[in-house]
Amino acid sequence: DTQMTQSPSTMSASVGDRVTITCRASQSISTWLAWYQQKPGKAPKLLIYKTVSLESGVPVRFSGSGSGTEFTLTISSLQPDDFATYYCQQYKSYPYTFGQGTKLEIK
Amino acid sequence: QVQLVESGGGVVQPGSSLRLSCSTSGFTFNYYGMHWVRQAPGKGLEWVSYISSDGSDKYYAESVKGRFSISRDNSKNAVYLQMNSLRDEDTAEFYCARAGIRFPYCHYWGQGTLVIVSS
Repeated sequence: DTQMTQSPSTMSASVGDRVTITCRASQSISTWLAWYQQKPGKAPKLLIYKTVSLESGVPVRFSGSGSGTEFTLTISSLQPDDFATYYCQQYKSYPYTFGQGTKLEIK
Repeated sequence: QVQLVESGGGVVQPGSSLRLSCSTSGFTFNYYGMHWVRQAPGKGLEWVSYISSDGSDKYYAESVKGRFSISRDNSKNAVYLQMNSLRDEDTAEFYCARAGIRFPYCHYWGQGTLVIVSS
């Protein structure tokens, strides 16, 4: 199985900050990676697929990069609505494993 | 618009069975693979199972293999998760999710149904 490890697990930031979340795969997944945002009590929401492709309707301040085993999600200028938990997921091979999540808190 | 609505959750005893349903609308159901993903209280997301658009391919997480079974009825636009031999650690919110048209990421999600396994 491919293990996905996110860092950090928790981070504090302020509105307007540039934020980067890292996701590492235990083996190469090429660019078969998605990012999701989840708010408390809500279902996850797709942000980015195939590492860099922004889902329709997602603000352009979100971007993704990487390939192989190391990936990043960047929020260029944090907005109040962005405080949430973020998950990466590989879909190169079954089981389609998620990272453990990164909780983004207000500083 | 795409809608997915899960049902069938509840409180059950360890060792018992439960069948979850996911009713869908707003898209051509038989074009898409479908996932089940779960989230234990206060924990992260765990992918559970996937079924291809025609039902011919099915995959499971190791933690549920042999106990859970995914199926679909393309005439009813629904996907199901039969869960047998339930354990305390199966307690979770269960989400169904529709795959992308070309790639199997979880594109659209339902709101979830809660399964509590407790004696």
